[in-house]
Amino acid sequence: NAGVTQTPKFRILKIGQSMTLQCTQDMNHNYMYWYRQDPGMGLKLIYYSVGAGITDKGEVPNGYNVSRSTTEDFPLRLELAAPSQTSVYFCASSPWAGQQETQYFGPGTRLLVL
Amino acid sequence: KQEVTQIPAALSVPEGENLVLNCSFTDSAIYNLQWFRQDPGKGLTSLLLIQSSQREQTSGRLNASLDKSSGRSTLYIAASQPGDSATYLCAVRGDSGYALNFGKGTSLLVTP
Repeated sequence: NAGVTQTPKFRILKIGQSMTLQCTQDMNHNYMYWYRQDPGMGLKLIYYSVGAGITDKGEVPNGYNVSRSTTEDFPLRLELAAPSQTSVYFCASSPWAGQQETQYFGPGTRLLVL
Repeated sequence: KQEVTQIPAALSVPEGENLVLNCSFTDSAIYNLQWFRQDPGKGLTSLLLIQSSQREQTSGRLNASLDKSSGRSTLYIAASQPGDSATYLCAVRGDSGYALNFGKGTSLLVTP
């Protein structure tokens, strides 16, 4: 199993541009998550999904959109990129959300908005 | 709002030493607490998960404890090795919702 894969690894955007960060998992997990990690800070939840067709906002959803049309894929869309969205973005997944279950993280996408 | 604090922010030790990393959280109504390892340019790897009803978990040279009433957790690393060099993150999940609340991490350097 490849686990959680993310593309691209690194991207530079100009202010006002849009892009989609891709996330795919091959573990047949129901739950998927998007976090961002700003320099020197902890990760913060942007959006999550509990299954195909079901998504919900996390702590910092402004400026982002998500969709979940399949179990495997959970893309994150940035519209009108701003410098404040410069960060490292991590996608994660888990089978369910039980007390004993951890989240499995992808390698991250580093985004720089200039 | 749950706040997670990790002390120290950075730590450098010689190989072979035992060490303790600290994590504190403000809201004791937690579902579980996890310790992750983060290597540069890579994702997070779960090391230990402690459910809210548990007091500790062990895996190899790692031992994590949880004291919900005082809002504290410690990660004990025995006989440290250079390969242990990484950033260690503490994450708390509240008993409502799915988000993990992360601390800023402790950057560990183990020198040969």
